[in-house]
Amino acid sequence: AQTVTQSQPEMSVQEAETVTLSCTYDTSESDYYLFWYKQPPSRQMILVIRQEAYKQQNATENRFSVNFQKAAKSFSLKISDSQLGDAAMYFCAYRRRSGNTPLVFGKGTRLSVIA
Amino acid sequence: ETGVTQSPTHLIKTRGQQVTLRCSSQSGHNTVSWYQQALGQGPQFIFQYYREEENGRGNFPPRFSGLQFPNYSSELNVNALELDDSALYLCASSLTSGIGDEQFFGPGTRLTVL
Repeated sequence: AQTVTQSQPEMSVQEAETVTLSCTYDTSESDYYLFWYKQPPSRQMILVIRQEAYKQQNATENRFSVNFQKAAKSFSLKISDSQLGDAAMYFCAYRRRSGNTPLVFGKGTRLSVIA
Repeated sequence: ETGVTQSPTHLIKTRGQQVTLRCSSQSGHNTVSWYQQALGQGPQFIFQYYREEENGRGNFPPRFSGLQFPNYSSELNVNALELDDSALYLCASSLTSGIGDEQFFGPGTRLTVL
């Protein structure tokens, strides 16, 4: 069974600074997706960034980028120029690529942004 | 294009009762997945419905059941509620087209069992 581990229950960052959230996963599959989701107090799960395992290039979405290390099964999220609106729970998630398979989530990291 | 909606927003029930939660999928989507998110945890997969049939189930007992309707909206039913069923219930809709189907989440229903 696939598992996703987020070892940082809480992180904080100063506004305008950079923060990195860690995630490791375990799978025997070779073709899969990895995701970072943001869940603000409104509870709506919002997709931040997606990485396809067969792509070596790290995904980037504006201030958000990932460091995908397939051999190490590591998938960290870097948030640059942190903003107050980035404060939320962040979940790392895994999904097999074939078919519409369910997401496997980590336990989350609560990010606080300090003004 | 309407997003995923869920009702009700909050619900309080007592142990032993039954509850029905509802989810309207995003326009054009044919698949709904349900997740349970306990306090301080990540979401856990309950089951998925595709074209009105259950299409995968997580490690949840049979008292968790569901339906999907011809318009692809869905219900999650939980019988004989237990205290541990208190959680945020999320539904996610997607278009099953083969590979890489992104799931779009609703705002969730917060269930409290007393």
